Amino acid sequence: QSALTQPASVSGSPGQSITISCTGTSSDVGGYNYVSWYQQHPGKAPKLMIYDVSNRPSGVSNRFSGSKSGNTATLTNSGLQAEDEGDYYCSSYTSSSTMVFGGGTKLTVL
Amino acid sequence: QVQLVQSGAEVKKPGASVKVSCKASGYTFTGYYVYWVRQAPGQGLQWMGWINPGSGGTGYAQKFQGRVTMTRDTSISTAYLEMSRLRSDDTAVYYCVSVAGQNWGQGTLVTVSS
Repeated sequence: QSALTQPASVSGSPGQSITISCTGTSSDVGGYNYVSWYQQHPGKAPKLMIYDVSNRPSGVSNRFSGSKSGNTATLTNSGLQAEDEGDYYCSSYTSSSTMVFGGGTKLTVL
Repeated sequence: QVQLVQSGAEVKKPGASVKVSCKASGYTFTGYYVYWVRQAPGQGLQWMGWINPGSGGTGYAQKFQGRVTMTRDTSISTAYLEMSRLRSDDTAVYYCVSVAGQNWGQGTLVTVSS
């Protein structure tokens, strides 16, 4: 199972909106509504930000949203804050009854 | 509150085996799959497999099949990851994850070095 494709890095200024893409195939992202997004700060365990494509767990800011079109899922942050800086990973359920992560995207708040 | 508490850091020689534990509390252990994820130094997340604590059923990423075994002991709400024939590139932080991805253990550093 190949890793999902994410941009290596994205950046934006405080208050700006950014998007992070996650591209897979019809055997993972495109075939199931089981895409999740995780945020990771240095030295910390990842934190779930979005599950099942577009659902936010309790406590996650509504600045974060998720969507999917075809084989590509997208995480949107609608108003960057300094504390949003970190690494972001997407994951998807696959046709092999396994899961796969993306390679990760480093978000820099300028 | 939900907690996943993992066993401590391990140092192993190449070819050895390691067993990492993950003790769950604050929720019904048999109600949610437990996943194992690893992260090599400076690298991304890698999904290893899952165990259904209720049935004991497992599913492993192809990369780890034959070298990884996931088990559980429901009497003490604990999941286990055992990896054999360790290599230097297995050096990583190993995480257990449950409650549909919402809860992660603190991570266990496994270092493989001669």
